[in-house]
Amino acid sequence: GAVVSQHPSWVICKSGTSVKIECRSLDFQATTMFWYRQFPKQSLMLMATSNEGSKATYEQGVEKDKFLINHASLTLSTLTVTSAHPEDSSFYICSARDLAGRSYNEQFFGPGTRLTVL
Amino acid sequence: QKEVEQNSGPLSVPEGAIASLNCTYSDRGSQSFFWYRQYSGKSPELIMSIYSNGDKEDGRFTAQLNKASQYVSLLIRDSQPSDSATYLCAVSWQAGTALIFGKGTTLSVSS
Repeated sequence: GAVVSQHPSWVICKSGTSVKIECRSLDFQATTMFWYRQFPKQSLMLMATSNEGSKATYEQGVEKDKFLINHASLTLSTLTVTSAHPEDSSFYICSARDLAGRSYNEQFFGPGTRLTVL
Repeated sequence: QKEVEQNSGPLSVPEGAIASLNCTYSDRGSQSFFWYRQYSGKSPELIMSIYSNGDKEDGRFTAQLNKASQYVSLLIRDSQPSDSATYLCAVSWQAGTALIFGKGTTLSVSS
């Protein structure tokens, strides 16, 4: 299957600071990537759909000015959590589809980034 | 509101038994269905995908889809302790769109 990486794998920051999370497709090009958030003991919740070269599409209730998404190339999408607060502490996971691959309808997930805001 | 429902469990089975996991979805027009396995602290790992009615087998795993009943299931034969994890059912309403996940069923396989 296609490989998706994320960096960093975990981060601890102070309240009020900004944190950038990178999502990369390593062996394929991804015109669309998805960002999910998962709180403890809960399922994955879609935050936004990241489209290469255009604005991201955010789900209802997700603040686009707080969660900045940039998809500047076919292999990289970034999520920046601005002015982070303790309630933003969560497990952030990205996924991507390999449209040119055999498993074009499947989504491959990155390993996730655990964010802790103090 | 598109929804995916799963029994949260925990589902406990002895080693070697068959584990049966179930999922229902709200939108009759859904097209793609997936089962992911998630170990604690890790991201989801794709186990099975199924797109048409019937059964699909892959090793010890069998996915079953019944679109008329809006029901998807996953059977795990010869369950192993390493199968202990949370199993997430995910549905895509259109090809290429984001996945909507159920809350997951926690499976515990005892040796």
